[in-house]
Amino acid sequence: RKEVEQDPGPFNVPEGATVAFNCTYSNSASQSFFWYRQDCRKEPKLLMSVYSSGNEDGRFTAQLNRASQYISLLIRDSKLSDSATYLCVVEGGQNFVFGPGTRLSVLP
Amino acid sequence: NAGVTQTPKFRVLKTGQSMTLLCAQDMNHEYMYWYRQDPGMGLRLIHYSVGEGTTAKGEVPDGYNVSRLKKQNFLLGLESAAPSQTSVYFCASSSTSGVYNEQFFGPGTRLTVL
Repeated sequence: RKEVEQDPGPFNVPEGATVAFNCTYSNSASQSFFWYRQDCRKEPKLLMSVYSSGNEDGRFTAQLNRASQYISLLIRDSKLSDSATYLCVVEGGQNFVFGPGTRLSVLP
Repeated sequence: NAGVTQTPKFRVLKTGQSMTLLCAQDMNHEYMYWYRQDPGMGLRLIHYSVGEGTTAKGEVPDGYNVSRLKKQNFLLGLESAAPSQTSVYFCASSSTSGVYNEQFFGPGTRLTVL
C-alpha cells in the first residue's frame, strides 16, 4: 500500500459546482497534514493545513479523520481559477510524503 | 526576499555526464529538500537536510548525492546521468518539520537525459 493515496481523477466540473477530494494515508503516527495546489508546470504551493477539528478557508474546507486515516478537501462554488492539481501531503517524521495528486478542471 | 531559487531552470544531458543543481533560500530555514516529479507519480523525496552540514536519504536516493555546506544552499549532484533521471526536480525549504509547518518550493529544474 502506498503511503499516501488520492482519488485518481481527473475531475471535470462546471463552474459553481462543489467538488470533494479524498486522501488516505498509512502512517498512523503522522501528526501534520496539508493540501497543496500545483498549477501546470509550476511548483506546489500550500493551499491549507488540515487541523484535527477540521478547518475552513473561504470556499475550501478540509477535514481529518484520524481513526480512518483519511483527509478530505471540499471546494464550493468552483471557479475557473481553481483548475489545478491538488496534492495531499502527510508529515512523516523529518520529512513529508506527497500523494500523486488529483487534477481538477473547472469548465465554463 | 527571493524565497527559494533553483539553478539552472532547464538542462539537457547525455547519458554518463555529470551535473550539479543548486538550490538557494533566503528565509533562514533549517530544513531543505530535493524532490523529483514524474508524470502520475507525485513528488518523491530524493535527499533532505535538517541543518547545515547534515544530509539524509529520502525515498529515491540512488544515483544522486547532496551537500549542505552552507545553511542557505543545498546542492544535488548527478555523477553519471541516466535516462531514468529525466524528470522535473524541485527544491523546497521549511523552518522545521513540525506540525502545521509549510514547505516553500523553488520553480523547478527540468532535466532531460538523452
